[in-house]
Amino acid sequence: GNSVTQMEGPVTLSEEAFLTINCTYTATGYPSLFWYVQYPGEGLQLLLKATKADDKGSNKGFEATYRKETTSFHLEKGSVQVSDSAVYFCALNYGGSQGNLIFGKGTKLSVKP
Amino acid sequence: EAQVTQNPRYLITVTGKKLTVTCSQNMNHEYMSWYRQDPGLGLRQIYYSMNVEVTDKGDVPEGYKVSRKEKRNFPLILESPSPNQTSLYFCASRNAGYTEAFFGQGTRLTVV
Repeated sequence: GNSVTQMEGPVTLSEEAFLTINCTYTATGYPSLFWYVQYPGEGLQLLLKATKADDKGSNKGFEATYRKETTSFHLEKGSVQVSDSAVYFCALNYGGSQGNLIFGKGTKLSVKP
Repeated sequence: EAQVTQNPRYLITVTGKKLTVTCSQNMNHEYMSWYRQDPGLGLRQIYYSMNVEVTDKGDVPEGYKVSRKEKRNFPLILESPSPNQTSLYFCASRNAGYTEAFFGQGTRLTVV
């Protein structure tokens, strides 16, 4: 079946550190891939997306590349800020009739000054 | 502004007292879904709808009902809430196809 696996958290980093959050997926066909961010007390917001193999999504200094050969969509940022503290969710849409997105369990990131 | 609006944001209720959480979207999206978010379990889909009058169960539908009488609205109904339905609930909508979902701000429900 279709699934998303992302690294367990929590992740704690110092400001300006490099961030990687791993995400791998299992899906039939050619899904679209997403990273969502949830700031404390808020709903999920789309951070970036990629719709086909080798696409790179980017936003707010975050990047992720759709790697079909390794079925991965790892999230990276070169220099994190305290304001990046949030929960990050990897998700896929395989276009099925059920209409839902498949989410990973989320990774909580805390950035210390 | 494109948005998904849920109400209420916070709700404390007692076991067995029927409640409804409303959800409305202004983007003319076909698909709407309800999720619950619990610590360590991530997001789990409760119900979804592919269009007006078309709804189906998600992964955790027990104890919930939904309806889709209009394209913009997708209320979540708890006929007889129980403490294990204490959770953070999100409504989401999206277009058909390989598209992203747009989420509401969430409803934190406590059943005592």
